[in-house]
Amino acid sequence: GEDVEQSLFLSVREGDSSVINCTYTDSSSTYLYWYKQEPGAGLQLLTYIFSNMDMKQDQRLTVLLNKKDKHLSLRIADTQTGDSAIYFCAEFAYSGAGSYQLTFGKGTKLSVIP
Amino acid sequence: SAVISQKPSRDICQRGTSLTIQCQVDSQVTMMFWYRQQPGQSLTLIATANQGSEATYESGFVIDKFPISRPNLTFSTLTVSNMSPEDSSIYLCSVENRGLGGYTFGSGTRLTVV
Repeated sequence: GEDVEQSLFLSVREGDSSVINCTYTDSSSTYLYWYKQEPGAGLQLLTYIFSNMDMKQDQRLTVLLNKKDKHLSLRIADTQTGDSAIYFCAEFAYSGAGSYQLTFGKGTKLSVIP
Repeated sequence: SAVISQKPSRDICQRGTSLTIQCQVDSQVTMMFWYRQQPGQSLTLIATANQGSEATYESGFVIDKFPISRPNLTFSTLTVSNMSPEDSSIYLCSVENRGLGGYTFGSGTRLTVV
């Protein structure tokens, strides 16, 4: 079945760049997403990338996709204390019988040190 | 993207009782999704709710335990029945951002069963 893996923790200093990595196993992925979950809150869609793209940039966020290695990364430039949250990688892929499935990783907890 | 109002935001419930969680969307959507996030885990899809038909449950989830209602295109409820401490989780509803990519999530219901 589909599997999405992320490292569980990342700690960076304020002002540095953060890079959160994700690997997935399903080659039929169509979209890959990054969500942010702040303490006590729901999930906020940060950005997404279509599977035929290599890179997407949106202000401080850069998403890189290596489809050959099934590796996705999220880079946050100039990391701020407000970026402290759990970041979830999610894969949207065909799951058979005409249906699609969204599979989440376990999330990477980003801690920003002032 | 759609805006979801989910309530209650949190509750502490006695073992053996039931809790109904509500999600209201500010636009009409065909499918609504219910997820569970157990402590320290990623999101797991419970079921997909379509208006006018019975919900489709994922493996490991059954209608008797998690009955779902979908009376119209903007509203859905999930009931957690006959609760036990193992049901303590965050429950989230979600809808697809039609044409915009990604999914919008409610703010979640943090359930603690004692």
